Amino acid sequence: NAGVTQTPKFQVLKTGQSMTLQCAQDMNHNSMYWYRQDPGMGLRLIYYSASEGTTDKGEVPNGYNVSRLNKREFSLRLESAAPSQTSVYFCASSEALQLRAQYFGPGTRLLVL
Amino acid sequence: GENVEQHPSTLSVQEGDSAVIKCTYSDSASNYFPWYKQELGKGPQLIIDIRSNVGEKKDQRIAVTLNKTAKHFSLHITETQPEDSAVYFCAASWNSGGSNYKLTFGKGTLLTVNP
Repeated sequence: NAGVTQTPKFQVLKTGQSMTLQCAQDMNHNSMYWYRQDPGMGLRLIYYSASEGTTDKGEVPNGYNVSRLNKREFSLRLESAAPSQTSVYFCASSEALQLRAQYFGPGTRLLVL
Repeated sequence: GENVEQHPSTLSVQEGDSAVIKCTYSDSASNYFPWYKQELGKGPQLIIDIRSNVGEKKDQRIAVTLNKTAKHFSLHITETQPEDSAVYFCAASWNSGGSNYKLTFGKGTLLTVNP
Protein backbone atom coordinates (compact mmCIF):
# COMPACT_ATOMS: atom_id res chain seq x y z
CA ASN A 1 0.00 0.00 0.00
CA ALA A 2 2.05 2.96 -1.30
CA GLY A 3 -0.42 5.72 -0.34
CA VAL A 4 0.07 8.80 -2.52
CA THR A 5 2.86 8.74 -5.09
CA GLN A 6 4.17 11.62 -7.19
CA THR A 7 6.41 11.85 -10.22
CA PRO A 8 8.87 13.31 -10.92
CA LYS A 9 10.62 14.04 -7.61
CA PHE A 10 12.59 16.93 -9.04
CA GLN A 11 12.42 18.92 -12.27
CA VAL A 12 14.20 21.89 -13.80
CA LEU A 13 12.39 23.85 -16.52
CA LYS A 14 13.18 26.87 -18.60
CA THR A 15 10.68 29.73 -18.72
CA GLY A 16 7.97 28.93 -21.25
CA GLN A 17 8.38 25.16 -21.15
CA SER A 18 5.48 22.92 -20.24
CA MET A 19 5.26 19.87 -18.04
CA THR A 20 2.81 17.61 -16.26
CA LEU A 21 3.12 16.50 -12.65
CA GLN A 22 1.65 13.09 -12.00
CA CYS A 23 -0.11 11.88 -8.86
CA ALA A 24 -1.68 8.55 -7.98
CA GLN A 25 -3.28 7.13 -4.84
CA ASP A 26 -4.12 3.54 -3.95
CA MET A 27 -6.40 4.21 -0.96
CA ASN A 28 -9.62 4.29 -3.00
CA HIS A 29 -10.13 7.93 -2.02
CA ASN A 30 -12.73 10.03 -3.79
CA SER A 31 -11.12 13.46 -3.40
CA MET A 32 -7.71 14.65 -4.55
CA TYR A 33 -5.81 17.93 -4.27
CA TRP A 34 -2.81 19.84 -5.56
CA TYR A 35 -0.98 22.26 -3.24
CA ARG A 36 2.11 24.36 -3.61
CA GLN A 37 4.45 25.13 -0.72
CA ASP A 38 6.63 28.22 -0.68
CA PRO A 39 8.89 29.42 2.15
CA GLY A 40 6.92 31.33 4.75
CA MET A 41 3.61 30.78 2.89
CA GLY A 42 2.51 27.40 4.17
CA LEU A 43 0.47 25.19 1.85
CA ARG A 44 -1.82 26.81 -0.70
CA LEU A 45 -4.48 24.94 -2.65
CA ILE A 46 -4.13 25.12 -6.44
CA TYR A 47 -6.92 22.81 -7.65
CA TYR A 48 -8.95 19.99 -6.23
CA SER A 49 -11.21 17.20 -7.41
CA ALA A 50 -14.11 16.29 -5.15
CA SER A 51 -14.74 13.07 -7.07
CA GLU A 52 -13.91 11.42 -10.35
CA GLY A 53 -15.04 13.63 -13.21
CA THR A 54 -15.03 16.93 -11.30
CA THR A 55 -12.35 19.56 -10.75
CA ASP A 56 -12.47 23.00 -9.14
CA LYS A 57 -10.16 25.95 -8.59
CA GLY A 58 -8.48 26.52 -5.27
CA GLU A 59 -6.73 29.57 -3.89
CA VAL A 60 -3.98 29.96 -6.54
CA PRO A 61 -5.11 28.35 -9.85
CA ASN A 62 -3.64 30.82 -12.36
CA GLY A 63 -1.08 29.24 -14.71
CA TYR A 64 -2.19 25.66 -13.97
CA ASN A 65 -4.59 23.09 -15.33
CA VAL A 66 -5.60 19.72 -13.93
CA SER A 67 -7.03 16.43 -15.13
CA ARG A 68 -8.71 13.79 -13.00
CA LEU A 69 -7.84 10.88 -15.24
CA ASN A 70 -9.67 8.28 -13.15
CA LYS A 71 -10.33 7.67 -9.48
CA ARG A 72 -6.66 6.96 -8.78
CA GLU A 73 -4.88 9.65 -10.80
CA PHE A 74 -4.87 13.45 -10.72
CA SER A 75 -2.37 15.39 -12.84
CA LEU A 76 -1.25 19.02 -12.73
CA ARG A 77 -0.09 20.74 -15.89
CA LEU A 78 1.97 23.89 -16.33
CA GLU A 79 1.40 25.08 -19.89
CA SER A 80 4.04 27.83 -19.95
CA ALA A 81 6.23 27.74 -16.85
CA ALA A 82 7.26 30.97 -15.15
CA PRO A 83 9.90 31.58 -12.45
CA SER A 84 7.07 32.39 -10.01
CA GLN A 85 6.01 28.74 -10.29
CA THR A 86 9.26 27.58 -8.68
CA SER A 87 7.94 25.72 -5.66
CA VAL A 88 7.39 22.35 -4.06
CA TYR A 89 4.17 20.73 -5.25
CA PHE A 90 2.23 18.28 -3.13
CA CYS A 91 -0.61 16.04 -4.12
CA ALA A 92 -3.03 14.83 -1.44
CA SER A 93 -6.10 12.64 -1.23
CA SER A 94 -8.98 12.08 1.18
CA GLU A 95 -12.04 9.86 1.45
CA ALA A 96 -14.26 12.83 0.72
CA LEU A 97 -14.22 16.62 0.87
CA GLN A 98 -16.24 16.71 4.05
CA LEU A 99 -14.16 16.80 7.20
CA ARG A 100 -11.80 13.99 6.26
CA ALA A 101 -8.08 13.68 6.82
CA GLN A 102 -5.92 14.47 3.81
CA TYR A 103 -2.91 12.29 3.06
CA PHE A 104 0.03 13.80 1.23
CA GLY A 105 2.54 12.52 -1.28
CA PRO A 106 6.31 13.13 -1.03
CA GLY A 107 6.27 16.19 -3.28
CA THR A 108 7.79 17.40 -6.55
CA ARG A 109 10.45 20.08 -6.38
CA LEU A 110 10.21 22.33 -9.42
CA LEU A 111 12.76 24.94 -10.42
CA VAL A 112 11.89 27.30 -13.28
CA LEU A 113 14.84 29.25 -14.68
CA GLY B 1 -12.78 32.09 3.43
CA GLU B 2 -10.76 31.14 6.46
CA ASN B 3 -7.66 32.71 7.99
CA VAL B 4 -5.38 30.63 10.22
CA GLU B 5 -2.64 32.22 12.32
CA GLN B 6 0.03 29.97 13.83
CA HIS B 7 2.51 30.81 16.62
CA PRO B 8 5.37 30.65 17.24
CA SER B 9 7.13 30.37 13.89
CA THR B 10 10.14 28.72 15.56
CA LEU B 11 10.37 26.86 18.86
CA SER B 12 13.44 25.36 20.49
CA VAL B 13 13.16 23.05 23.51
CA GLN B 14 15.36 20.70 25.47
CA GLU B 15 14.79 16.98 25.15
CA GLY B 16 12.20 15.88 27.67
CA ASP B 17 10.50 19.27 27.88
CA SER B 18 7.01 20.00 26.56
CA ALA B 19 6.24 21.99 23.41
CA VAL B 20 3.07 23.93 22.68
CA ILE B 21 2.04 25.37 19.32
CA LYS B 22 -1.04 27.58 19.03
CA CYS B 23 -3.35 28.43 16.14
CA THR B 24 -6.28 30.79 15.81
CA TYR B 25 -8.93 30.74 13.10
CA SER B 26 -11.41 33.29 11.85
CA ASP B 27 -14.47 31.33 10.63
CA SER B 28 -16.66 30.30 13.56
CA ALA B 29 -18.26 27.64 11.33
CA SER B 30 -14.96 25.75 10.98
CA ASN B 31 -15.38 22.29 12.46
CA TYR B 32 -12.36 20.12 11.65
CA PHE B 33 -8.77 20.85 12.75
CA PRO B 34 -5.90 18.58 11.72
CA TRP B 35 -2.23 18.88 12.62
CA TYR B 36 0.57 17.81 10.28
CA LYS B 37 4.25 17.08 10.83
CA GLN B 38 6.66 17.67 7.97
CA GLU B 39 10.20 16.36 8.10
CA LEU B 40 12.86 17.80 5.84
CA GLY B 41 12.37 16.76 2.22
CA LYS B 42 9.12 14.91 2.89
CA GLY B 43 5.42 15.53 2.54
CA PRO B 44 3.22 16.58 5.49
CA GLN B 45 2.04 13.68 7.64
CA LEU B 46 -1.17 13.81 9.65
CA ILE B 47 -0.39 13.32 13.35
CA ILE B 48 -3.67 14.15 15.06
CA ASP B 49 -6.98 15.82 14.30
CA ILE B 50 -9.97 17.09 16.26
CA ARG B 51 -13.56 17.89 15.41
CA SER B 52 -15.56 20.75 16.83
CA ASN B 53 -17.73 18.55 19.04
CA VAL B 54 -14.67 17.54 21.10
CA GLY B 55 -12.60 19.76 23.41
CA GLU B 56 -9.48 17.62 23.69
CA LYS B 57 -7.92 14.58 22.08
CA LYS B 58 -4.80 12.63 23.08
CA ASP B 59 -2.58 10.13 21.32
CA GLN B 60 0.35 9.01 23.47
CA ARG B 61 2.66 12.07 23.83
CA ILE B 62 0.56 14.27 21.55
CA ALA B 63 -2.61 16.13 22.46
CA VAL B 64 -4.75 18.78 20.82
CA THR B 65 -7.13 21.15 22.58
CA LEU B 66 -9.87 23.21 21.01
CA ASN B 67 -11.56 26.34 22.36
CA LYS B 68 -14.45 27.12 20.01
CA THR B 69 -15.49 30.26 21.89
CA ALA B 70 -12.06 31.82 21.53
CA LYS B 71 -11.52 30.21 18.11
CA HIS B 72 -8.15 28.74 18.89
CA PHE B 73 -6.63 25.28 19.09
CA SER B 74 -3.27 24.05 20.30
CA LEU B 75 -0.88 21.14 19.84
CA HIS B 76 0.86 19.81 22.95
CA ILE B 77 3.85 17.48 22.74
CA THR B 78 5.12 16.08 26.02
CA GLU B 79 8.47 14.42 26.78
CA THR B 80 9.91 15.72 23.52
CA GLN B 81 12.52 13.66 21.69
CA PRO B 82 15.03 14.67 18.97
CA GLU B 83 12.91 12.84 16.38
CA ASP B 84 10.08 15.28 17.12
CA SER B 85 12.16 17.95 15.37
CA ALA B 86 10.23 19.00 12.26
CA VAL B 87 7.88 21.67 10.90
CA TYR B 88 4.35 21.43 12.29
CA PHE B 89 1.32 22.82 10.47
CA CYS B 90 -2.17 23.41 11.80
CA ALA B 91 -5.19 23.65 9.52
CA ALA B 92 -8.88 24.47 9.72
CA SER B 93 -11.64 23.12 7.51
CA TRP B 94 -14.24 25.56 6.20
CA ASN B 95 -17.28 25.31 3.98
CA SER B 96 -16.65 26.82 0.55
CA GLY B 97 -20.19 26.30 -0.65
CA GLY B 98 -22.73 23.48 -0.65
CA SER B 99 -21.08 20.34 0.67
CA ASN B 100 -17.56 21.41 -0.30
CA TYR B 101 -14.99 21.85 2.42
CA LYS B 102 -11.43 23.10 2.09
CA LEU B 103 -8.46 23.22 4.43
CA THR B 104 -6.62 26.44 5.19
CA PHE B 105 -3.15 25.91 6.64
CA GLY B 106 -1.12 27.94 9.09
CA LYS B 107 2.35 28.99 8.00
CA GLY B 108 4.11 26.39 10.14
CA THR B 109 6.27 26.10 13.26
CA LEU B 110 9.83 24.84 13.10
CA LEU B 111 10.33 22.76 16.25
CA THR B 112 13.88 21.91 17.27
CA VAL B 113 14.45 19.47 20.14
CA ASN B 114 17.97 19.76 21.51
CA PRO B 115 19.53 16.60 22.99
